[in-house]
Amino acid sequence: DVKVTQSSRYLVKRTGEKVFLECVQDMDHENMFWYRQDPGLGLRLIYFSYDVKMKEKGDIPEGYSVSREKKERFSLILESASTNQTSMYLCASSAGVGGANVLTFGAGSRLTVL
Amino acid sequence: GQSLEQPSEVTAVEGAIVQINCTYQTSGFYGLSWYQQHDGGAPTFLSYNALDGLEETGRFSSFLSRSDSYGYLLLQELQMKDSASYFCAVRASGNTPLVFGKGTRLSVIA
Repeated sequence: DVKVTQSSRYLVKRTGEKVFLECVQDMDHENMFWYRQDPGLGLRLIYFSYDVKMKEKGDIPEGYSVSREKKERFSLILESASTNQTSMYLCASSAGVGGANVLTFGAGSRLTVL
Repeated sequence: GQSLEQPSEVTAVEGAIVQINCTYQTSGFYGLSWYQQHDGGAPTFLSYNALDGLEETGRFSSFLSRSDSYGYLLLQELQMKDSASYFCAVRASGNTPLVFGKGTRLSVIA
């Protein structure tokens, strides 16, 4: 089974802190994604990557950055956390371009910024 | 850009049939997907339609009409465990990521 593991299930951080959310997938998928999920707003794409060292902005990249140094790992970085970044963060991966409709999601990281 | 519209909530009786509609606006179109998410869980892939018509997978079916920019998810013989949120999602091209709708919360009642 494809497995996407997010390192932290729950985090509480203070305003201004730098936050790292880690995601690792174990099925050699080319594509990785970070979504944010808020009630009533669905899943919104923050950043995505189709290859190592490659990154593309999604619909809401402001306040975030990403890193993909290895194929299996895609990190989301909040340079200076703010209260409006309190949310559920979902990492996902998929195989090649043809399989990119089939995303496998991690369990999510619920971040609270105080 | 892309936008998707789906009802925010649907309630249906156990054993019945329910249809969740999705209309979309995209600059291009590369298929309509459906995902299920139980409370506290991760979204999981249900189905994908690239061409017009009905795709059936057990109790779940998904329909697409590209000319109407419309699709639906049909759930038959509803079970309590089908209570979840359902998201439609589209891609504008083979090189763009999925964009999700805001989700439909399905409540199955006895």
